[in-house]
Amino acid sequence: DTAVSQTPKYLVTQMGNDKSIKCEQNLGHDTMYWYKQDSKKFLKIMFSYNNKELIINETVPNRFSPKSPDKAHLNLHINSLELGDSAVYFCASNPGLNTGELFFGEGSRLTVL
Amino acid sequence: GENVEQHPSTLSVQEGDSAVIKCTYSDSASNYFPWYKQELGKRPQLIIDIRSNVGEKKDQRIAVTLNKTAKHFSLHITETQPEDSAVYFCAALPRSGGSYIPTFGRGTSLIVHP
Repeated sequence: DTAVSQTPKYLVTQMGNDKSIKCEQNLGHDTMYWYKQDSKKFLKIMFSYNNKELIINETVPNRFSPKSPDKAHLNLHINSLELGDSAVYFCASNPGLNTGELFFGEGSRLTVL
Repeated sequence: GENVEQHPSTLSVQEGDSAVIKCTYSDSASNYFPWYKQELGKRPQLIIDIRSNVGEKKDQRIAVTLNKTAKHFSLHITETQPEDSAVYFCAALPRSGGSYIPTFGRGTSLIVHP
């Protein structure tokens, strides 16, 4: 069984469109994250979600919004896509806020044309 | 917030040599320091970690050292092999405060030449 799964794995879309990436974890973890990995491989935190507490990286444009229907899911919605949004987006989970290892999903490669 | 600096950005070694990657952090409250390996096209995966109550930890060919006073920690890989080629990320995790967001260094691309 996949611990952290993301869909879709690849997404190609036009500028201006709205898209979503889904993430589910079956580890029973309390905290989930979204990271953006750009072409230079930098892993930049976008959001952290724990027990209904959302922590947002203030540098993330408000076109990006996380949605958590329950503890096992944290989806990422992106409105009005721009060329600079092209990247690999990783979902991750962690047992608790300060208890160690991040478990990453396989990543979703978004290409904006 | 936490700031993690990682050096070098690229490291090229011959098979069998040792490789060392260094990181510094800014938040003295950080108490957990993991290292992740990301192979091409794959997800980052934990390879070793260290907590602030320990100065060194070893697992076969990899080891991590931590100097809390200087706020730096290092990854050591001995007897490198071509399959060690990957991007390595250090990270720090603060112990207290309103947020506990793992903050990553910018990564080191390790190339091991056969």
